[in-house]
Amino acid sequence: QSALTQPPSASGSPGQSVTIACTGSNSDVGGYGFVSWYQQHPNNAPKLIIFEVTKRPSGVPDRFSGSKSGNTASLTVSGLQADDEAHYYCSSYAGSHSWVFGGGTKLTVL
Amino acid sequence: QPHLQESGPGLVKPSETLSLTCTVSGDTIDSRNYYWGWLRQPPGKGLEWIGIISNGGSTHYNPSLRSRINISIDTSKNQFSLRLNSVTAADTAVYFCAREITMIGFGVWGQGAMVTVSS
Repeated sequence: QSALTQPPSASGSPGQSVTIACTGSNSDVGGYGFVSWYQQHPNNAPKLIIFEVTKRPSGVPDRFSGSKSGNTASLTVSGLQADDEAHYYCSSYAGSHSWVFGGGTKLTVL
Repeated sequence: QPHLQESGPGLVKPSETLSLTCTVSGDTIDSRNYYWGWLRQPPGKGLEWIGIISNGGSTHYNPSLRSRINISIDTSKNQFSLRLNSVTAADTAVYFCAREITMIGFGVWGQGAMVTVSS
């Protein structure tokens, strides 16, 4: 298993949209339709915000959306708010009931 | 929502065994609907999946850690545990326990337990 690749940082002003990419391989992102995204605020546990590439758990605002093309998945945060400032991690099913994570992206709201 | 709580020593010596237990409340661990897992996060770094266990004791481990880890479950106590042997400084991390829904991910997490490997 190799970690998924994410940009270390991203930023946007309040109200704007930001997209974070997550690149894997045919063995994970490209091979399965099971990409999840997590939001983590400092000193907190991660929170699941997207699963199965595009779906949102109950209570997650529709400002958060996911997509996938080939070996790259993406998370888009629309209408940026101050509380969106956090680290975001992608994760993909990688076969044999295993998961692989990205290195994380720190989103800064300017 | 269930509550998950990690417990165990916060300091482990190099070459020894790290042991953590996750106690689940507000839900039965003896459910076919979920797996129960461990993940970790070294200071300032990203998340790493360690492994998972079913209520029946079926396990799946990260290949990079498989030779050193054991995850077990005690349904009578509503707990599951992690043992990681031959630890080094590279195993210093916050260790999280979490509930997994197959193919969906980890929807419920413990608060995390910091474990430092140092003599």
